[in-house]
Amino acid sequence: AQTVTQSQPEMSVQEAETVTLSCTYDTSESNYYLFWYKQPPSRQMILVIRQEAYKQQNATENRFSVNFQKAAKSFSLKISDSQLGDTAMYFCAPNTGANSKLTFGKGITLSVRP
Amino acid sequence: DVKVTQSSRYLVKRTGEKVFLECVQDMDHENMFWYRQDPGLGLRLIYFSYDVKMKEKGDIPEGYSVSREKKERFSLILESASTNQTSMYLCASSSSGQGNYGYTFGSGTRLTVV
Repeated sequence: AQTVTQSQPEMSVQEAETVTLSCTYDTSESNYYLFWYKQPPSRQMILVIRQEAYKQQNATENRFSVNFQKAAKSFSLKISDSQLGDTAMYFCAPNTGANSKLTFGKGITLSVRP
Repeated sequence: DVKVTQSSRYLVKRTGEKVFLECVQDMDHENMFWYRQDPGLGLRLIYFSYDVKMKEKGDIPEGYSVSREKKERFSLILESASTNQTSMYLCASSSSGQGNYGYTFGSGTRLTVV
């Protein structure tokens, strides 16, 4: 079975600072997609960012960007200018199987301090 | 606004009861998924479906079954609820179209079995 590793269970960052959440995974595929999801206390899972593995350029969505290292099978999320509303659990989820099935990491709880 | 709707936000059931968790999506998505979320374990796939009347086992199908009689509706059934099925249950859907744009999630059902 595919494995996804988020090695940091919890992180804390000061408001307005930058934080990086790490994720590694295993796959034998060459073409696939990777996602980061955010789950705030409201429990609603929200898509943060999407990366296509065949694109060398790292994806960016406003304050969120990724560092995708295909050879190392690493997919980290960088949050710039952290805001209190970024406090949430974050899940890394690559899709390397058929039919868009995602495998999720165990998640990391991010707390943004005022 | 596109939606995945789970019928109950909170549910309390007794051991041995048959429990139905309902999920409806209005996006005409082909794929639907049921996950359970437990602290420290992330999201684990129970069952998924690629089409009406189709179903596939995920990583932890024991004690569960599913039904997909219509494209928009995917039901999770606990045949005889047990206390170890106390968990958060998340439904998601996705398109089989070109590219992979990840899942749209419901807001979750927190099930307690007493």
